[in-house]
Amino acid sequence: EAEVAQSPRYKITEKSQAVAFWCDPISGHATLYWYRQILGQGPELLVQFQDESVVDDSQLPKDRFSAERLKGVDSTLKIQPAELGDSAMYLCASSLASREYGYEQYFGPGTRLTVT
Amino acid sequence: AQSVAQPEDQVNVAEGNPLTVKCTYSVSGNPYLFWYVQYPNRGLQFLLKYITGDNLVKGSYGFEAEFNKSQTSFHLKKPSALVSDSALYFCAVRDRNKFYFGSGTKLNVKP
Repeated sequence: EAEVAQSPRYKITEKSQAVAFWCDPISGHATLYWYRQILGQGPELLVQFQDESVVDDSQLPKDRFSAERLKGVDSTLKIQPAELGDSAMYLCASSLASREYGYEQYFGPGTRLTVT
Repeated sequence: AQSVAQPEDQVNVAEGNPLTVKCTYSVSGNPYLFWYVQYPNRGLQFLLKYITGDNLVKGSYGFEAEFNKSQTSFHLKKPSALVSDSALYFCAVRDRNKFYFGSGTKLNVKP
C-alpha cells in the first residue's frame, strides 16, 4: 500500500539554528499539506499545495517558516531560525482532493522536532 | 466560523462494551466529515468519512459513525471495543477546501 514518506523521523536542534523537513506524498496526489501538531492537540494547517502552487499559507509564520514543492511532487518545510516554541510534531499529508475520491488525507509518520 | 468540537478529552470503556466518541461541528455549508485515529508517535490514519448519502457510515476496523444534521454531530461508534482500539481519535471537517481538526479524544479500552 502506498504511503506518505517523511524524514527525518526525529530532529533535535538548538534554538536559532535552521532545520528542514522532507515529505514525499503518495504518487499521483496533487494536494499536499503540512501540519503542526502540539502535544495533546489536533493538527493545525501550516500550508497547503495544489501541485506546485501554494493555495493556503495563512497560518504559516512567514518570518521564519518557508515551504516549497518545486516540481509538484515532494516538498520541504524549513524553519530558520528555530525557536523553543517550535517544538512539535510536523505532519505531512497528501490527498487526491476531489469529490470523486472523497477528499480524505493520508498522513505520513511525522517528524518530531525538539528545540533546545 | 468553522469549528469542530470533541467535548471529551478521554473516554474509558471496558473491552467488549460498545464505545462512542463524540464530535460536533459548525460549518457554513454542507459538511464533509472525517474520523482519524493516531497511535503514539505516528501520523493520523483515516477511519471513515461522510460526504453525502446514508447517515450511518461504516469504516475501518469495525468503526462506524452517525451523521446527524439537526444536532450537527458526527459521533464515532463501535459495537464491541478492543484493547487495541486504545488510541487518540480526531474528528475533522472540510469546509471550502480547508480542513479543521478537533482537539482529540483519548480512548482507553481496559481488559
